[in-house]
Amino acid sequence: GAGVSQSPSNKVTEKGKDVELRCDPISGHTALYWYRQSLGQGLEFLIYFQGNSAPDKSGLPSDRFSAERTGGSVSTLTIQRTQQEDSAVYLCASSSGSALQSSYGYTFGSGTRLTVV
Amino acid sequence: EDKVVQSPLSLVVHEGDTVTLNCSYEVTNFRSLLWYKQEKKAPTFLFMLTSSGIEKKSGRLSSILDKKELFSILNITATQTGDSAIYLCAVEDEDNTDKLIFGTGTRLQVFP
Repeated sequence: GAGVSQSPSNKVTEKGKDVELRCDPISGHTALYWYRQSLGQGLEFLIYFQGNSAPDKSGLPSDRFSAERTGGSVSTLTIQRTQQEDSAVYLCASSSGSALQSSYGYTFGSGTRLTVV
Repeated sequence: EDKVVQSPLSLVVHEGDTVTLNCSYEVTNFRSLLWYKQEKKAPTFLFMLTSSGIEKKSGRLSSILDKKELFSILNITATQTGDSAIYLCAVEDEDNTDKLIFGTGTRLQVFP
């Protein structure tokens, strides 16, 4: 597609429920990233996929968070047993490689605003 | 640990004012520094800087990097209400290729 697409744009869920957030990157982009932005905070790195390599999961805050990328394209971020502190905007970005190779750095999606009540 | 610090956290100005946003960083092996503008939810790219002392310019926005003192500034001249946004600075570490470390951002509000 023309840009990075995320769905849903907004999600309200009850504490303890599981949620799935979807990211559809730009076609041909091999790198895909998930970031989280809590109120008043900067962007917090969560996980990074590059081609067929093992993902860099170093930013996932707990084992309730997981992500997968099927067929090197669409990615799903799953949060199990959601907690109120999980409330944030979850941003996905894709790039054709390193920020240096792509003079435009990342292309971000519009994000999913997750509210856990 | 890699770190990016932006200042001020918040800035309120009137249209026509000039503003300077600051970004300092600590990374093991610096690769590049990027500036983004975030108005709604998705940050949009402004500049990528890799070399010291070379100013990048786009309209009323300009940015420069100092790799010796480990900081960058983003200047906006003759501000307009449409410049109101969060401005994010991010750094790429050679040792953690492709993973950007973001600062908390500077929230700029421009009033008529």
